[in-house]
Amino acid sequence: GAVVSQHPSWVICKSGTSVKIECRSLDFQATTMFWYRQFPKQSLMLMATSNEGSKATYEQGVEKDKFLINHASLTLSTLTVTSAHPEDSSFYICSARKQGANTEAFFGQGTRLTVV
Amino acid sequence: DAKTTQPNSMESNEEEPVHLPCNHSTISGTDYIHWYRQLPSQGPEYVIHGLTSNVNNRMASLAIAEDRKSSTLILHRATLRDAAVYYCILNAGNQFYFGTGTSLTVIP
Repeated sequence: GAVVSQHPSWVICKSGTSVKIECRSLDFQATTMFWYRQFPKQSLMLMATSNEGSKATYEQGVEKDKFLINHASLTLSTLTVTSAHPEDSSFYICSARKQGANTEAFFGQGTRLTVV
Repeated sequence: DAKTTQPNSMESNEEEPVHLPCNHSTISGTDYIHWYRQLPSQGPEYVIHGLTSNVNNRMASLAIAEDRKSSTLILHRATLRDAAVYYCILNAGNQFYFGTGTSLTVIP
């Protein structure tokens, strides 16, 4: 299967600082990538759809000014959590699909963010 | 996005087959049925997907009811490494919306 890589795997930051998470598709081009957030013992919640070369589409209730998404190339999308607070501590996961109809999704290994 | 219903948890003995059910009574004609699984502290992993016919791959089999309102993921011989949360997802558009999934426990 295809590989989607996230970096870093975990990060601890101080409250009020910003954190950037990278998501790369290593062996295929992804015009669209997706960002999820997962709290302990809960399911994945879709945050936004990241489109290469254009603005991301955010799900209802997700603050676009707090969660900045950039999809500068066909293999890289970044999520920046701005002015992070302890309630932003979560497991962030990206995914991508190959082009074509009804293909499967490939997920990164996730990034554990802890805001102290 | 059409919804799916799965049992919260299931148990299986090691090396026995496991049948994980999923109900999707509001499925539309263009919805594909996808299954993913997630091990603790990892991103989800693709298992299998299909539209109407049963599907087999090296990981599992997917049995789809004739009316497509339900499906079953079949693990032919459960191993301890199969312990995970299994998500059944209907997909027609670009996005995947996850439900609550089934937490599978494999008993040695």
